[in-house]
Amino acid sequence: EDKVVQSPLSLVVHEGDTVTLNCSYEVTNFRSLLWYKQEKKAPTFLFMLTSSGIEKKSGRLSSILDKKELFSILNITATQTGDSAVYLCAVFIQGAQKLVFGQGTRLTINP
Amino acid sequence: GAVVSQHPSWVICKSGTSVKIECRSLDFQATTMFWYRQFPKQSLMLMATSNEGSKATYEQGVEKDKFLINHASLTLSTLTVTSAHPEDSSFYICSAPRQGPSYEQYFGPGTRLTVT
Repeated sequence: EDKVVQSPLSLVVHEGDTVTLNCSYEVTNFRSLLWYKQEKKAPTFLFMLTSSGIEKKSGRLSSILDKKELFSILNITATQTGDSAVYLCAVFIQGAQKLVFGQGTRLTINP
Repeated sequence: GAVVSQHPSWVICKSGTSVKIECRSLDFQATTMFWYRQFPKQSLMLMATSNEGSKATYEQGVEKDKFLINHASLTLSTLTVTSAHPEDSSFYICSAPRQGPSYEQYFGPGTRLTVT
């Protein structure tokens, strides 16, 4: 069974801290790994990773994939209260042509 | 701006009635769209893959006669919850991929369904 596991499930930090969110996966036929941010409504796209070792960066957010160890991390530096959200990791399964989501990490940034 | 829209954004209906939710890709064509449901504080669970011009593919445990999916055109998929029950109350989200199904998927804003 295809599985995506995120950790921690919940994280509370102070504004300005740096956080690292983890996503590990065991899937039959990996195509890509995606990170999403979900606030009150539907998820918004952050990154898509297909190759190992290549960091993707957008402002204070960055992500990298390790296809040998089957995991990805999402880093957020200098966190702000607006970063508070649920961060979802998903893996696209080639063949089945679908996304499998992890449970999400609920991140709370306190001022 | 939004690239996938959903309508309605929220709906309340009585047990036993049917509800239709629309998902539209706004500035691209999507031969495939996906329908998810999300319970409070839980992740997204794929319900079905909607395929333009052919039958939808349902995930294990999802009743295809209860959740009717129609991919009427390259920009529109509909999900009809038939004979709704209170346990069908949930957040339903659709997504559509640009440039083929393995590329980044754009999510609609979601529809909150409450069945009384």
